[in-house]
Amino acid sequence: EPEVTQTPSHQVTQMGQEVILRCVPISNHLYFYWYRQILGQKVEFLVSFYNNEISEKSEIFDDQFSVERPDGSNFTLKIRSTKLEDSAMYFCASKGTQSEQYFGPGTRLTVT
Amino acid sequence: KQEVTQIPAALSVPEGENLVLNCSFTDSAIYNLQWFRQDPGKGLTSLLLIQSSQREQTSGRLNASLDKSSGRSTLYIAASQPGDSATYLCAVRYTNAGKSTFGDGTTLTVKP
Repeated sequence: EPEVTQTPSHQVTQMGQEVILRCVPISNHLYFYWYRQILGQKVEFLVSFYNNEISEKSEIFDDQFSVERPDGSNFTLKIRSTKLEDSAMYFCASKGTQSEQYFGPGTRLTVT
Repeated sequence: KQEVTQIPAALSVPEGENLVLNCSFTDSAIYNLQWFRQDPGKGLTSLLLIQSSQREQTSGRLNASLDKSSGRSTLYIAASQPGDSATYLCAVRYTNAGKSTFGDGTTLTVKP
């Protein structure tokens, strides 16, 4: 069964550094999403992406964040100048013509 | 504001019991509702997806119902097992390609 994959599974970075989280959505999917879950809190929407542009973003998704689909298969989330409060699990999701959003296993980001 | 609430926050039951988890949403004009399972520190495993036109979905020992007019969904787990111990999340979407809005989850413990 096709699945969404994410790399790395765990990323440790120092405050102020830039990180790129990578996702490979299911191959024929057209809609892509990033969510995050701070430890002990609910899963929060960050951004959705369709047709090579952002279709919706939350108030969390400020100028520190950017997304890109660089090569037709990967979907990346870049976080510039990371802060301690960016420590969270980041989930990528994709959706095709069917209704269901498929979630990846997540990348745990730890900012020290 | 579109909010999703899950009650109870935590539930502990002896093995073999049938149980019900609740999810309510403030805006009843949903497109679909999805139930997920999350093990500690892990990703989201999709359990059941109910479209707005459906009343229930079943998979094995799991049955999810949807009452749009009252803004509620329930997840029924029959004959619970220790392996069912996890956090159960519900998420609603308001359009086909829109974001998922998650509840805080119910943490279930099934004692042997």
